[in-house]
Amino acid sequence: DAGVTQSPTHLIKTRGQQVTLRCSPKSGHDTVSWYQQALGQGPQFIFQYYEEEERQRGNFPDRFSGHQFPNYSSELNVNALLLGDSALYLCASSLRQGSNQPQHFGDGTRLSIL
Amino acid sequence: SQKIEQNSEALNIQEGKTATLTCNYTNYSPAYLQWYRQDPGRGPVFLLLIRENEKEKRKERLKVTFDTTLKQSLFHITASQPADSATYLCALVSLNQAGTALIFGKGTTLSVSS
Repeated sequence: DAGVTQSPTHLIKTRGQQVTLRCSPKSGHDTVSWYQQALGQGPQFIFQYYEEEERQRGNFPDRFSGHQFPNYSSELNVNALLLGDSALYLCASSLRQGSNQPQHFGDGTRLSIL
Repeated sequence: SQKIEQNSEALNIQEGKTATLTCNYTNYSPAYLQWYRQDPGRGPVFLLLIRENEKEKRKERLKVTFDTTLKQSLFHITASQPADSATYLCALVSLNQAGTALIFGKGTTLSVSS
Protein backbone atom coordinates (compact mmCIF):
# COMPACT_ATOMS: atom_id res chain seq x y z
CA ASP A 1 0.00 0.00 0.00
CA ALA A 2 1.74 3.15 -1.22
CA GLY A 3 1.99 5.97 1.25
CA VAL A 4 2.12 9.66 0.43
CA THR A 5 4.41 10.35 -2.50
CA GLN A 6 5.85 13.74 -3.41
CA SER A 7 7.77 14.95 -6.43
CA PRO A 8 10.33 16.15 -7.07
CA THR A 9 12.49 15.29 -4.04
CA HIS A 10 14.82 18.23 -4.58
CA LEU A 11 14.51 21.44 -6.57
CA ILE A 12 16.72 24.47 -7.09
CA LYS A 13 15.22 27.74 -8.32
CA THR A 14 16.23 31.38 -8.48
CA ARG A 15 14.45 34.37 -7.01
CA GLY A 16 11.39 35.49 -8.94
CA GLN A 17 10.75 32.12 -10.54
CA GLN A 18 7.68 29.99 -10.08
CA VAL A 19 7.53 26.39 -8.85
CA THR A 20 4.99 23.55 -8.78
CA LEU A 21 5.23 20.70 -6.30
CA ARG A 22 3.15 17.54 -6.54
CA CYS A 23 1.62 15.12 -4.08
CA SER A 24 -0.23 11.82 -4.31
CA PRO A 25 -2.09 10.96 -1.11
CA LYS A 26 -2.14 7.61 0.63
CA SER A 27 -4.61 5.23 -0.97
CA GLY A 28 -8.12 5.85 0.33
CA HIS A 29 -7.38 9.33 1.69
CA ASP A 30 -9.37 12.29 0.41
CA THR A 31 -7.88 15.28 2.26
CA VAL A 32 -4.51 16.83 1.48
CA SER A 33 -2.64 19.40 3.54
CA TRP A 34 0.59 21.22 2.73
CA TYR A 35 3.20 22.36 5.26
CA GLN A 36 6.42 24.35 5.04
CA GLN A 37 9.29 23.31 7.31
CA ALA A 38 12.28 25.62 7.64
CA LEU A 39 15.53 24.20 9.01
CA GLY A 40 15.31 23.58 12.75
CA GLN A 41 11.62 24.46 12.90
CA GLY A 42 8.39 22.53 13.09
CA PRO A 43 6.16 22.30 10.02
CA GLN A 44 3.92 25.33 9.38
CA PHE A 45 0.49 24.82 7.87
CA ILE A 46 -0.04 26.37 4.42
CA PHE A 47 -3.49 25.10 3.34
CA GLN A 48 -5.78 22.10 3.21
CA TYR A 49 -7.83 20.72 0.31
CA TYR A 50 -10.91 18.55 0.40
CA GLU A 51 -13.34 17.85 -2.44
CA GLU A 52 -11.14 19.93 -4.75
CA GLU A 53 -11.60 23.09 -2.71
CA GLU A 54 -9.31 24.97 -0.33
CA ARG A 55 -10.96 24.46 3.06
CA GLN A 56 -8.48 26.04 5.45
CA ARG A 57 -5.52 28.35 5.00
CA GLY A 58 -2.61 29.28 7.22
CA ASN A 59 -0.78 32.59 7.39
CA PHE A 60 0.85 32.47 3.95
CA PRO A 61 0.65 35.09 1.18
CA ASP A 62 -1.32 34.70 -2.03
CA ARG A 63 1.90 33.73 -3.81
CA PHE A 64 1.16 30.29 -2.41
CA SER A 65 -1.70 28.58 -4.20
CA GLY A 66 -2.86 25.04 -4.69
CA HIS A 67 -5.12 22.65 -6.43
CA GLN A 68 -6.69 19.28 -5.77
CA PHE A 69 -7.65 16.97 -8.61
CA PRO A 70 -10.56 14.51 -8.83
CA ASN A 71 -8.19 11.63 -7.99
CA TYR A 72 -7.32 13.50 -4.72
CA SER A 73 -3.77 14.31 -5.79
CA SER A 74 -2.65 17.87 -5.21
CA GLU A 75 -0.26 20.58 -6.37
CA LEU A 76 1.34 23.45 -4.52
CA ASN A 77 2.33 26.47 -6.60
CA VAL A 78 4.57 29.25 -5.40
CA ASN A 79 5.03 32.39 -7.52
CA ALA A 80 7.69 35.13 -7.35
CA LEU A 81 10.01 32.98 -5.25
CA LEU A 82 11.93 34.64 -2.42
CA LEU A 83 15.07 33.46 -0.67
CA GLY A 84 12.94 32.87 2.44
CA ASP A 85 10.89 30.28 0.58
CA SER A 86 13.79 27.85 0.85
CA ALA A 87 12.44 25.00 2.97
CA LEU A 88 11.19 21.43 3.04
CA TYR A 89 7.63 21.31 1.70
CA LEU A 90 5.60 18.49 3.17
CA CYS A 91 2.36 17.04 1.94
CA ALA A 92 0.09 15.17 4.35
CA SER A 93 -3.03 13.18 3.64
CA SER A 94 -5.85 12.05 5.87
CA LEU A 95 -9.31 10.59 5.69
CA ARG A 96 -12.15 13.07 5.56
CA GLN A 97 -11.87 16.64 6.59
CA GLY A 98 -13.17 17.39 10.07
CA SER A 99 -12.30 14.01 11.53
CA ASN A 100 -9.57 13.54 14.10
CA GLN A 101 -7.58 11.11 12.00
CA PRO A 102 -3.80 11.36 12.13
CA GLN A 103 -2.10 12.78 9.09
CA HIS A 104 0.27 10.74 6.93
CA PHE A 105 3.22 12.69 5.61
CA GLY A 106 5.37 12.28 2.55
CA ASP A 107 9.11 12.79 2.73
CA GLY A 108 8.82 16.24 1.23
CA THR A 109 10.34 18.33 -1.52
CA ARG A 110 13.51 20.19 -0.57
CA LEU A 111 13.29 23.59 -2.31
CA SER A 112 16.38 25.77 -2.48
CA ILE A 113 16.21 29.35 -3.76
CA LEU A 114 19.41 30.93 -5.06
CA SER B 1 -0.37 35.39 21.54
CA GLN B 2 -0.81 31.73 20.67
CA LYS B 3 2.19 29.51 21.22
CA ILE B 4 3.06 25.85 21.30
CA GLU B 5 6.43 25.17 22.86
CA GLN B 6 8.58 22.12 23.30
CA ASN B 7 10.81 23.06 26.16
CA SER B 8 13.98 21.25 25.17
CA GLU B 9 15.60 21.54 21.78
CA ALA B 10 17.79 18.56 22.57
CA LEU B 11 17.67 15.73 25.08
CA ASN B 12 20.50 13.25 25.63
CA ILE B 13 19.89 10.06 27.63
CA GLN B 14 21.46 6.65 28.12
CA GLU B 15 20.02 3.47 26.71
CA GLY B 16 17.50 1.85 29.02
CA LYS B 17 16.41 5.10 30.68
CA THR B 18 13.04 6.81 30.26
CA ALA B 19 12.93 9.86 28.02
CA THR B 20 10.35 12.51 28.93
CA LEU B 21 9.54 15.26 26.43
CA THR B 22 7.38 18.27 27.25
CA CYS B 23 4.91 20.22 25.14
CA ASN B 24 3.21 23.36 26.47
CA TYR B 25 0.62 25.49 24.73
CA THR B 26 -0.77 28.99 25.30
CA ASN B 27 -4.06 30.49 24.16
CA TYR B 28 -5.25 27.41 22.34
CA SER B 29 -8.20 25.16 23.10
CA PRO B 30 -6.99 21.86 21.67
CA ALA B 31 -9.51 19.34 20.45
CA TYR B 32 -6.71 16.82 20.54
CA LEU B 33 -2.95 16.61 20.55
CA GLN B 34 -0.68 14.39 18.49
CA TRP B 35 2.95 13.32 18.69
CA TYR B 36 5.08 12.62 15.62
CA ARG B 37 8.58 11.30 15.07
CA GLN B 38 10.78 12.79 12.35
CA ASP B 39 14.06 11.32 11.15
CA PRO B 40 16.58 13.46 9.21
CA GLY B 41 15.47 14.00 5.62
CA ARG B 42 12.12 12.28 6.17
CA GLY B 43 8.57 13.39 6.81
CA PRO B 44 6.96 13.17 10.26
CA VAL B 45 5.50 9.81 11.25
CA PHE B 46 2.43 9.65 13.50
CA LEU B 47 2.92 8.03 16.92
CA LEU B 48 0.04 8.80 19.28
CA LEU B 49 -3.11 10.92 19.54
CA ILE B 50 -4.77 11.99 22.77
CA ARG B 51 -8.12 13.76 23.04
CA GLU B 52 -8.94 16.65 25.39
CA ASN B 53 -11.03 14.38 27.62
CA GLU B 54 -8.33 11.72 27.95
CA LYS B 55 -5.60 11.90 30.54
CA GLU B 56 -3.26 9.18 29.31
CA LYS B 57 -2.63 7.00 26.24
CA ARG B 58 -0.18 4.13 25.84
CA LYS B 59 1.29 2.23 22.91
CA GLU B 60 4.02 -0.30 23.59
CA ARG B 61 6.94 1.67 25.14
CA LEU B 62 5.28 5.01 24.48
CA LYS B 63 3.03 6.95 26.86
CA VAL B 64 1.48 10.38 26.43
CA THR B 65 -0.38 12.43 29.02
CA PHE B 66 -2.57 15.49 28.52
CA ASP B 67 -3.32 18.02 31.26
CA THR B 68 -5.68 20.75 30.03
CA THR B 69 -5.38 22.61 33.35
CA LEU B 70 -1.60 22.90 33.06
CA LYS B 71 -1.93 23.22 29.26
CA GLN B 72 0.72 20.57 28.89
CA SER B 73 1.38 17.19 27.32
CA LEU B 74 4.19 14.85 28.34
CA PHE B 75 5.59 12.16 26.03
CA HIS B 76 7.48 9.28 27.59
CA ILE B 77 9.63 6.59 25.96
CA THR B 78 10.47 3.83 28.42
CA ALA B 79 13.48 1.50 28.08
CA SER B 80 14.89 3.81 25.41
CA GLN B 81 17.07 2.43 22.63
CA PRO B 82 19.54 4.08 20.23
CA ALA B 83 16.95 3.49 17.48
CA ASP B 84 14.65 5.93 19.31
CA SER B 85 17.05 8.77 18.44
CA ALA B 86 15.06 11.25 16.32
CA THR B 87 13.22 14.57 16.52
CA TYR B 88 9.84 14.37 18.23
CA LEU B 89 7.16 16.89 17.34
CA CYS B 90 3.98 17.69 19.21
CA ALA B 91 1.06 19.10 17.28
CA LEU B 92 -2.43 20.19 18.20
CA VAL B 93 -5.69 20.80 16.41
CA SER B 94 -7.47 23.80 17.85
CA LEU B 95 -11.18 23.87 18.61
CA ASN B 96 -11.19 27.44 17.30
CA GLN B 97 -10.63 26.55 13.67
CA ALA B 98 -12.73 25.19 10.85
CA GLY B 99 -10.47 22.39 9.67
CA THR B 100 -7.93 19.91 10.93
CA ALA B 101 -4.69 21.83 10.35
CA LEU B 102 -1.95 20.75 12.70
CA ILE B 103 -0.11 23.41 14.69
CA PHE B 104 3.38 22.09 15.43
CA GLY B 105 5.99 22.84 18.04
CA LYS B 106 9.63 23.16 16.99
CA GLY B 107 10.45 19.66 18.12
CA THR B 108 12.84 18.04 20.58
CA THR B 109 15.81 16.10 19.24
CA LEU B 110 16.38 12.99 21.33
CA SER B 111 19.74 11.22 21.33
CA VAL B 112 19.98 7.83 23.04
CA SER B 113 23.52 6.60 23.64
CA SER B 114 24.46 2.97 24.19
